Amino acid sequence: QSVLTQPPSASGTPGQRVTISCSGSDSNIGYNTVNWYQQFTGTAPKRLIYSNSQRPSGVPDRFSGSKSGTSASLAISGLQSEDEADYYCAAWDDSLNVYVFGTGTKVTVL
Amino acid sequence: EVKLVESGGGVVRPGGSLRLSCAGSGFIFDDYVMSWVRQAPGKGLEWISAISWNGDNTGYADSVKGRFTISRDNAKNSLYLQMNSLTVDDTALYYCARDGVSRCDYWGQGTLVTVSS
Repeated sequence: QSVLTQPPSASGTPGQRVTISCSGSDSNIGYNTVNWYQQFTGTAPKRLIYSNSQRPSGVPDRFSGSKSGTSASLAISGLQSEDEADYYCAAWDDSLNVYVFGTGTKVTVL
Repeated sequence: EVKLVESGGGVVRPGGSLRLSCAGSGFIFDDYVMSWVRQAPGKGLEWISAISWNGDNTGYADSVKGRFTISRDNAKNSLYLQMNSLTVDDTALYYCARDGVSRCDYWGQGTLVTVSS
């Protein structure tokens, strides 16, 4: 099982702010940067946030990331219907020597 | 435009072997570490292996160590995954990904491997 824990689901109405947490440990989030991925049903994951809080070009600024200690968060401000997707956090784990993904969070727009 | 295209998936019996390929284009292939990530049906993402730019260094998840071998041919801009001793637990969509500024910055569309008797 994954060493990064996320809530299985999150939801909000259009325009609301939704936050997804990602809980890890010293060996992963504590000592390494966190990346976030967005995956629509039936498609490949896409990098959404890298190095804790950096947005690749083309990613809307309503997506933001942060990290504190052994936890990280992804926030979606001004939620839109097209944001319905699965979201995964990820980080390198120095103890396991693997790149670990979070358990994933399904975001639903009500 | 960065493009990654996987191929080689299919149906295989338990204990069998399969070789996946990933063709990269739109970037200087041998400048980058490359990875394989898989996703079992209805499940989350699992990183399984990575290889350095020149192939000298490789890493594997425990779940595939000793059974899977990652390799690359920079002259062909291609990444490979040799999978042996396959079990039903290896059934998944297999993605190749480029490790750029961050790990797995670009992904292919995936190739499906089904292990079934």
